[in-house]
Amino acid sequence: NAGVTQTPKFRILKIGQSMTLQCAQDMNHNYMYWYRQDPGMGLKLIYYSVGAGITDKGEVPNGYNVSRSTTEDFPLRLELAAPSQTSVYFCASSYRDRGAFFGQGTRLTVV
Amino acid sequence: AQTVTQSQPEMSVQEAETVTLSCTYDTSENNYYLFWYKQPPSRQMILVIRQEAYKQQNATENRFSVNFQKAAKSFSLKISDSQLGDTAMYFCAFMKPSGAGGTSYGKLTFGQGTILTVHP
Repeated sequence: NAGVTQTPKFRILKIGQSMTLQCAQDMNHNYMYWYRQDPGMGLKLIYYSVGAGITDKGEVPNGYNVSRSTTEDFPLRLELAAPSQTSVYFCASSYRDRGAFFGQGTRLTVV
Repeated sequence: AQTVTQSQPEMSVQEAETVTLSCTYDTSENNYYLFWYKQPPSRQMILVIRQEAYKQQNATENRFSVNFQKAAKSFSLKISDSQLGDTAMYFCAFMKPSGAGGTSYGKLTFGQGTILTVHP
């Protein structure tokens, strides 16, 4: 099983550019999440989804958008990238209260 | 809102010895879940251990065990017989239940992390 797959693993963006981080899971989990991890900090929730067509904001949603058209896919869109969005981004999925399974992360640098 | 605090930014231990990582949390909930995640230099987040608050028995997974003190809101991780591969950042995380009317939907609140270095 692939689990949770994120692409790309690394990306450098210029200020004002946009990009989409891709996330796919093959575990048929209803719940999916996007977290960001800043240096020396824990992970903070950006957006989450409880099923196809249903998304909601987390703790730090500003500057991001998400969509969930299928159970498997949960892309994160960055519009007008800013230096404050330099971070490591993790996609995760979970089944009920078992705990989240994470992708390998995307290291994003905005210059 | 829940908060999770890991007061030890860095810890080190000799190979084969035992180390304990601390975690405290603040919540008004009576039922919840606690987790420890490991993040090695590869950056992958790996679920190490899970504790259900309504279970008094401390969870164990091979060399990893927890000391769950509900009244004190403390959730420490003990690593026995430390190995070089245990070198990683460790995160404590809190989650409210998502079933039976719960609305957490599996969302996790993380602590700041503890960097553990195992020395040969």
